[in-house]
Amino acid sequence: DQQVKQNSPSLSVQEGRISILNCDYTNSMFDYFLWYKKYPAEGPTFLISISSIKDKNEDGRFTVFLNKSAKHLSLHIVPSQPGDSAVYFCAASGAGSGNTPLVFGKGTRLSVIA
Amino acid sequence: KAGVTQTPRYLIKTRGQQVTLSCSPISGHRSVSWYQQTPGQGLQFLFEYFSETQRNKGNFPGRFSGRQFSNSRSEMNVSTLELGDSALYLCASSLSLAGADTQYFGPGTRLTVL
Repeated sequence: DQQVKQNSPSLSVQEGRISILNCDYTNSMFDYFLWYKKYPAEGPTFLISISSIKDKNEDGRFTVFLNKSAKHLSLHIVPSQPGDSAVYFCAASGAGSGNTPLVFGKGTRLSVIA
Repeated sequence: KAGVTQTPRYLIKTRGQQVTLSCSPISGHRSVSWYQQTPGQGLQFLFEYFSETQRNKGNFPGRFSGRQFSNSRSEMNVSTLELGDSALYLCASSLSLAGADTQYFGPGTRLTVL
């Protein structure tokens, strides 16, 4: 039973355009969501997070949107750059208790084409 | 501040052997979590240690075990290795419990079982 789903295994975007990565979750107890970026041969790097009390969080070129009613979140990267090419993982937890581990999606491979 | 370090970075073992992987968290971080990453499977949670106590355990057989020392360094052990144990093993640390705080990952240990 996959509680965090990233339904697009891969995505290609032209440099300078917007990249939109999507993530769906099934557990209504999740209230803290994160995005990680992973380059080959490296560990995942924390990118941005959002708690369920907000519906948007922005950090430079990266914005995460949360739609609690749809149990859906998305990561927008504007403008996309070739260095953004990596695998992006969505993760969720029930931060309120702090006693549940992070649950990760399977990742979406983003390719930004120059 | 130094990041999360993992040793060794690469390891080749044969079926039936056992292996021990090591993780040193970011200074001051008390939680260490371990994940297994295999192609197409995302990051699967193994276990989390906080203040030398196992706080959470994922759905892995008893051949997978771990421990945490008083300086927060952690080790994980896999006994009676199987071919399917070939994977990237990632360690992540956080200040407080993993589900309530941002996790920072190490570069991983690539284990190959022949």
